[in-house]
This record gives sequence, structure tokens and C-alpha cells, in this order.
Amino acid sequence: QLQLQESGPGLVKPSETLSLTCTVSGGSISSSSYYWGWIRQPPGKGLEWIGSIYYSGNTYYNPSLKSRVTISVDTSKNQFSLKLSSVTAADTAVYYCAADIRFLEWSTPRAGWFDPWGQGTLVTVSS
Amino acid sequence: DIVMTQSPDSLAVSLGERATINCKSSQSVLYSSNNKNYLTWYQQKAGQPPKLLIYWASTRESGVPDRFSGSGSGTDFTLTISSLQAEDVAVYYCQQYYNTPLTFGGGTKVEIK
Repeated sequence: QLQLQESGPGLVKPSETLSLTCTVSGGSISSSSYYWGWIRQPPGKGLEWIGSIYYSGNTYYNPSLKSRVTISVDTSKNQFSLKLSSVTAADTAVYYCAADIRFLEWSTPRAGWFDPWGQGTLVTVSS
Repeated sequence: DIVMTQSPDSLAVSLGERATINCKSSQSVLYSSNNKNYLTWYQQKAGQPPKLLIYWASTRESGVPDRFSGSGSGTDFTLTISSLQAEDVAVYYCQQYYNTPLTFGGGTKVEIK
């Protein structure tokens, strides 16, 4: 059974870089069945997709965050990571990692829904 | 970007009664070549991550009670809880995967009346 767990600092100073890692267990991050995604949720608000990565390293990002986001994968550790630079208080949120279901649409790979999700980690941006 | 708009923002329903949540997309998420709607529903209970309920607009995830059903096509979708149970208190989100960026609705909070 696939499980994901986020880890990283819970407090980041403004203008610095937020760094989180997601460890995948119960399955291989090199599976062709998944992309691996990051989603965030500001306190009391809705969900925002940040970006996703395939085990080969192919990435796609939300254009609203693209200039500040880097997602990478380490297949040897079964982990993928998120870096978000130049953070402000608006980046305070619970950050989730999730398996992003990959399906084929007439042989073209597409990203789909998220299942399962990690428990999430609250990252607060404050000095 | 495809904007997902949910209504209502919240609703209170008596135990055993029907709850209906709407989700409207700013453009069609129906892919004509395979006649599939690229729309999913999640349930998020307090302090927990979202849980997948339904994908392809109407396919129930394994283990999800059959009181949950999804319907609709094109731009208008509905999540129905046929007989509300106490454990269904949560916020429900729709999400489209027709295009990137993947986008979510704003959520609908379901409470017991």
C-alpha cells in the first residue's frame, strides 16, 4: 500500500527558500503509474497544485509559481523534493505530497487525480 | 486556467437526508475522443489530507460507500450523498485534470443540521 510522508522545517524566514522532502513507501517512485505532486493549502483555505514530477525527471509546474519552484526526484532514496524560493507570508500553508495518477490518453501520458496523499506539513513563513 | 466554482460554500443537512454539491468548470472538461470527463471529487475531514472519492466524474474509488455518487458532464457536475451520515461531515473539493495547471474548486463544507 503506497504511503507518502512529508518532512522539512516548519518555520522559514521571509525571502528564504522553503525545502521539503516526500518519502514514498510501499511502492517504487520509479513506477510508470504515477507522477509525484505537491499541493498546498493555506490555513482555512482551499487547495492549490504546485507541480508534479515523473521519475525520469520530467516536471510540470503551476505557472503562478513556476518562477520560484523546483521539484526534483531521487530514485535511489524513493524521495522527491520541493524547493520554493523567495517565500513570503502568503506561502504559509500546509504542504502535501501526493501520488499523481498517470494515465495514457491515446498513448500520450497525462496527469490525473491525487491518491494517496501524505498527512501534510505546516510551513509557516515568519521572521 | 480552468476555474472550478463550487456551490454552495456550505450546507447543513439532517442525518439520513440527501446532500448535493455542485461544481462548475469555466470550460468543458469532457474529452470528446474518449467521452470521459476529467473531473474528480475529494473529501477532507478536519485535520486530515483530502481523500479520493470519485474520478472520471462518476467512478467511485474502491472502498467508498455507495451513498456517494458523482454525475454531470461538460461543465456541470454534482456530488450527491444520498443519505448523510455523521462521518460525512467534511469539506468536499472537485478538481479538473483536463488541463494543466490542475485546479480545484473552493470547497463545500457539509455539516449536520
